[in-house]
Amino acid sequence: DIQMTQSPSSLSASVGDRVTITCRASQSISSYLHWYQQKPGKAPKLLIYTASSLQTGVPSRFSGSGSGTDFTLTISSLQPEDVATYYCQQSYSAPLTFGPGTKVDI
Amino acid sequence: EVQLLESGGGLVQPGGSLRLSCAASGFTFSNYAMTWVRQGPLKGLEWVSAISGPGGDIYYADSVKGRFTLSRDNSKNTLYLQMNSLRADDTGIYYCAKNRDVGVAAYDYWGQGTLVTVSS
Repeated sequence: DIQMTQSPSSLSASVGDRVTITCRASQSISSYLHWYQQKPGKAPKLLIYTASSLQTGVPSRFSGSGSGTDFTLTISSLQPEDVATYYCQQSYSAPLTFGPGTKVDI
Repeated sequence: EVQLLESGGGLVQPGGSLRLSCAASGFTFSNYAMTWVRQGPLKGLEWVSAISGPGGDIYYADSVKGRFTLSRDNSKNTLYLQMNSLRADDTGIYYCAKNRDVGVAAYDYWGQGTLVTVSS
């Protein structure tokens, strides 16, 4: 199975800060990497698919990059509504796997 | 508007069974693979099982293989998850989710979730 790791596990930043979250796969997954945002008590929301494609309706301050084993999610200017846990997920091979999550606070 | 509505969760004793349903609307259900993802209490997301649009290809996480059965009825736009031999570590919120595209298992729509509690 492909293992996904994320760093950091949590972070606290100020409004307007640039925030970067890293996701690493245990083997190459090409660009089959997706990012989700989950707020407390809510279902996850797709932000970025296939490493760098912005999902419809997601603010442009969110961006993704990477390929192979190393990926990043960047929030260019952190907003109060971005407080959430962020998960990466690989769909290169079954069983599909999620990272452990990164909790972002203001 | 795409909607996914899960049902069937509840309290069950260890070793018991439950059948979850996910009623879909707002898109051509048979064209899209569907997935169940669960989240244990204060835990992260865990992929459980997925099924192709026509229903011929089905995949399971190792943790549920042999105990859970995924199926779909495209005439009723409904996804099912039959869960047998339930264990305490199956407790959590179960979400159904829709694949964004054919061949790319990113999930663009999610239901609100249904809570499964396995306890004596």
